[in-house]
Amino acid sequence: DTGVSQNPRHKITKRGQNVTFRCDPISEHNRLYWYRQTLGQGPEFLTYFQNEAQLEKSRLLSDRFSAERPKGSFSTLEIQRTEQGDSAMYLCASSSIRDSTDTQYFGPGTRLTVL
Amino acid sequence: DAKTTQPTSMDCAEGRAANLPCNHSTISGNEYVYWYRQIHSQGPQYIIHGLKNNETNEMASLIITEDRKSSTLILPHATLRDTAVYYCIVRPHSGSNSGYALNFGKGTSLLVTP
Repeated sequence: DTGVSQNPRHKITKRGQNVTFRCDPISEHNRLYWYRQTLGQGPEFLTYFQNEAQLEKSRLLSDRFSAERPKGSFSTLEIQRTEQGDSAMYLCASSSIRDSTDTQYFGPGTRLTVL
Repeated sequence: DAKTTQPTSMDCAEGRAANLPCNHSTISGNEYVYWYRQIHSQGPQYIIHGLKNNETNEMASLIITEDRKSSTLILPHATLRDTAVYYCIVRPHSGSNSGYALNFGKGTSLLVTP
């Protein structure tokens, strides 16, 4: 068990470009969550999956954001036409439905800088 | 909006107990109190959770008042590596059909000094 991994760890892009991040959850974890964290703030929920189904999306997830988890394992988060306000740390977490506490284990995050 | 209130920052001397308070006066009967922490530039880390009884694990103790409107996280012997932002979160326990997002708020920035 290597924990939750995220790639890339850092991404610098120009405004208007598209970016895609990947999250690999802990093996056999059914739930996968995405959060965004801006400087000085706590993480904010974006969306989550149970297996391959996307069950909830926050109002923070604008039309430019899309997340997928096609086979119920890894997930991708894509941002289209990036804006400077998208600069943030994007965090992924996973949990197991067998764990009644639904303890979420977080990855190290992907730091996005939009120039 | 976060359902909890925490002090913005606290200091603690290395080797002493760190007591981090949290107010959650609107907590519902089915909501648990969770604590996570985030060391600089890392993802959040689960510490402990509880419903109404006090809880202890290898990392910390959680004391919940009888009326459940507040709680205290205790790090019994703080070390420099405990310097982090500590988040107190209330949320329901998840069922098999759904999970619940964590509403982090701003947390308490704990500085452990030598």
